[in-house]
Amino acid sequence: KAGVTQTPRYLIKTRGQQVTLSCSPISGHRSVSWYQQTPGQGLQFLFEYFSETQRNKGNFPGRFSGRQFSNSRSEMNVSTLELGDSALYLCASSLSLAGTDTQYFGPGTRLTVL
Amino acid sequence: GQQVMQIPQYQHVQEGEDFTTYCNSSTTLSNIQWYKQRPGGHPVFLIQLVKSGEVKKQKRLTFQFGEAKKNSSLHITATQTTDVGTYFCAGRASGSARQLTFGSGTQLTVLP
Repeated sequence: KAGVTQTPRYLIKTRGQQVTLSCSPISGHRSVSWYQQTPGQGLQFLFEYFSETQRNKGNFPGRFSGRQFSNSRSEMNVSTLELGDSALYLCASSLSLAGTDTQYFGPGTRLTVL
Repeated sequence: GQQVMQIPQYQHVQEGEDFTTYCNSSTTLSNIQWYKQRPGGHPVFLIQLVKSGEVKKQKRLTFQFGEAKKNSSLHITATQTTDVGTYFCAGRASGSARQLTFGSGTQLTVLP
């Protein structure tokens, strides 16, 4: 079974621009979560989607948004980029919303904001 | 909100020495998971603990879940250079919330 894929792998943007990141979960997985990873803050939860609905949201400003499609693929969007948005954005998929489900991470998208 | 603290932040050991990382939650957890992230890689699931006082072993790795389900530890016996990476604990609070909160991680360096 193919793992979680994320595109693009690397991205360079300038302040004020917007960016869209894509995540394709493992086949059969219906839940997708997004995390921001920075050296100083570790792994911070952004949001989680299941059946095209946002189920949980972390403490990030409204510039960060996401969506999930009927095939469980997910996108996240960051508008009006700031320097502090430079980070590794990780997507993780799991089978369902069950609390004991394992999360399988993708390789991440490395975003650099100049 | 729920906070998960992990110590130490960094650990350097000589190959063959033991290593332990500790995880403490501000709230009672329904379960706790451990992940390993190699340098330049992404987190990879290691194990999940669900029961109070649970202990699980994977070869040289021993995982424990505290009796109060608020703390956990990972112990590696006789470290090897392949153990290098950052180890994260991640917990879900008891109750309806299922957001997985990650600890800050312990970065392990193994010196040959």
